[in-house]
Amino acid sequence: EVQLVESGGGLVKPGGSLRLSCAASGFTFSGYSMSWVRQAPGKGLEWVSTFSSRTRNIYYADSVKGRFTISRDDAKNSLSLQMTSLRAEDTAVYYCARDSSGWSRDVWGQGTTVTVSS
Amino acid sequence: QSALTQPPSASGSPGQSVTISCTGTSSDIGGYNSVSWYQQHPGKAPKLMIYEVTKRPSGVPDRFSGSKSGNTASLTVSGLQAEDEADYHCSSYGGSNNLVFGGGTKLTVL
Repeated sequence: EVQLVESGGGLVKPGGSLRLSCAASGFTFSGYSMSWVRQAPGKGLEWVSTFSSRTRNIYYADSVKGRFTISRDDAKNSLSLQMTSLRAEDTAVYYCARDSSGWSRDVWGQGTTVTVSS
Repeated sequence: QSALTQPPSASGSPGQSVTISCTGTSSDIGGYNSVSWYQQHPGKAPKLMIYEVTKRPSGVPDRFSGSKSGNTASLTVSGLQAEDEADYHCSSYGGSNNLVFGGGTKLTVL
């Protein structure tokens, strides 16, 4: 079964850091680009970052550029997101997602919740 | 990159058809055939329903269809069923390796 499982969410103070992880199984992880997408409470989805499998290029939304770092370990079938200088507006459910045709995301994890509050 | 514009809500009775719009610009929806639609039930992860404007992943009922005209994409759900009640999100490639989403539409089956 194709599966993505996120972990690492929690409560953090403004200015703090947190590292999210995503464990992949059921497919050849190294062959797919992977992304993080977040959803603030009661809001729509927001793309955060993508790590291309083929070019190894990394892309970030302007809202997180310079604060978040995406990485992947193909040997361990895992994707990570290191988040620093966290702000209240970073509060959201963070989803790990597999990239597919036409910039779609065809497999999603269950999400992990990040709350930034003092 | 600005978010795509979706109506906050839509509704229809069982068996009817409903269409949800997603409006962008020539820099995103109008410039690429990379529009996707996702269904999200409360407390659940999004599920891909449509990709590349009109294509359905395996397992998605053919009651769901997508289209695009100019800078506006649309998702049509025909033969509405109770289980179609959910939030629907559109997305589009926005150029410069950016992906942009809409604000989401809550579909209510009356």
